[in-house]
Amino acid sequence: KNEVEQSPQNLTAQEGEFITINCSYSVGISALHWLQQHPGGGIVSLFMLSSGKKKHGRLIATINIQEKHSSLHITASHPRDSAVYICAVNRGSTLGRLYFGRGTQLTVWP
Amino acid sequence: ETGVTQTPRHLVMGMTNKKSLKCEQHLGHNAMYWYKQSAKKPLELMFVYSLEERVENNSVPSRFSPECPNSSHLFLHLHTLQPEDSALYLCASSPTGRETQYFGPGTRLLVL
Repeated sequence: KNEVEQSPQNLTAQEGEFITINCSYSVGISALHWLQQHPGGGIVSLFMLSSGKKKHGRLIATINIQEKHSSLHITASHPRDSAVYICAVNRGSTLGRLYFGRGTQLTVWP
Repeated sequence: ETGVTQTPRHLVMGMTNKKSLKCEQHLGHNAMYWYKQSAKKPLELMFVYSLEERVENNSVPSRFSPECPNSSHLFLHLHTLQPEDSALYLCASSPTGRETQYFGPGTRLLVL
């Protein structure tokens, strides 16, 4: 069983919809990351958070340490948001080592 | 542009070949990473280097051999690979190893 679980695995939305992607983890962590991977493979780091909530443009990430759960929200979704969204956690042990979820494939239709 | 470049972007090799993947970062970071991404599997960490010293070797087969000659360059030397090694190989860097990681575009490897 993977230490990091994401849901849903696939998500389809209409342009303008509010989107939520969930991440649960089963280990103690020092930080949680949300990453975006576009077709072709390039990965961009969206957020790194260890508590509370962060916002960047139309993206919002929240984390509940007690419940070992994080969510990534996208408001007013757009076709260019179509990508794979990956949750990853630092366990605070080995330098920089991240444990990854399997990713959520998001497709936003115009 | 993330500041992390990888070459080549695509590579096809036979099982008896020897090839190398190159990663370069111009961000002044001190930690660099190799990851493997296979179809339908989560990203897997292969190696971590901090200040040119390998600090993590995630039980990777010896047919993968990393090299970090300085803090800006990272290589992954490949020899006698297997078809199951076909994957996307991603390089990343971070300032000291406990911050956001910056990823390169990846090398898509096919082993025939």
